[in-house]
Amino acid sequence: DTGVSQDPRHKITKRGQNVTFRCDPISEHNRLYWYRQTLGQGPEFLTYFQNEAQLEKSRLLSDRFSAERPKGSFSTLEIQRTEQGDSAMYLCASSLQGASAETQYFGPGTRLLVL
Amino acid sequence: ILNVEQSPQSLHVQEGDSTNFTCSFPSSNFYALHWYRWETAKSPEALFVMTLNGDEKKKGRISATLNTKEGYSYLYIKGSQPEDSATYLCAPSYGNNRLAFGKGNQVVVIP
Repeated sequence: DTGVSQDPRHKITKRGQNVTFRCDPISEHNRLYWYRQTLGQGPEFLTYFQNEAQLEKSRLLSDRFSAERPKGSFSTLEIQRTEQGDSAMYLCASSLQGASAETQYFGPGTRLLVL
Repeated sequence: ILNVEQSPQSLHVQEGDSTNFTCSFPSSNFYALHWYRWETAKSPEALFVMTLNGDEKKKGRISATLNTKEGYSYLYIKGSQPEDSATYLCAPSYGNNRLAFGKGNQVVVIP
């Protein structure tokens, strides 16, 4: 079991550029989540997939954000026209539907800095 | 927006001392309470999931209790060690798969 992996671990970009992050969940997990943590705050929910279907999106997820999970395995999170306020740690988690209390297992995150 | 509060926000503990901290959360429609330990540059590590009022869980020197009626959970560390230095995150859920995290309890164990 290799755990949840995320790529890249760090990203520095200039305001206005597009960025894309990837998350590879634990292989048998059918649920996948994206969270964002800004400085001084706890992680905040962004969106969640069950298999390839995106079932829930937070109001935090503006039109510039899009997430996909095309084959129900890995997921990508794209931010278009980045703003300085997008600077944060982006965390991905996965879980197995129906497992006891459904623990979400987290990856190490992608830290984004928008200059 | 759910109000999940963790206190104290940060604490320094002498090696060998025991410590505890609190997570308070809305009790209405509560489903489960998760505790995570997050060390710098690593993935948040799942410690406990509790669902029932009065639940107690233990993992080594770390234990947790849950009161769903009044909406709080305690996390205890017995005989703190330097490797316990981390941020401890509390996250209740309300049946909709999203975790509502507090800001965390940052613990520094002083050798």
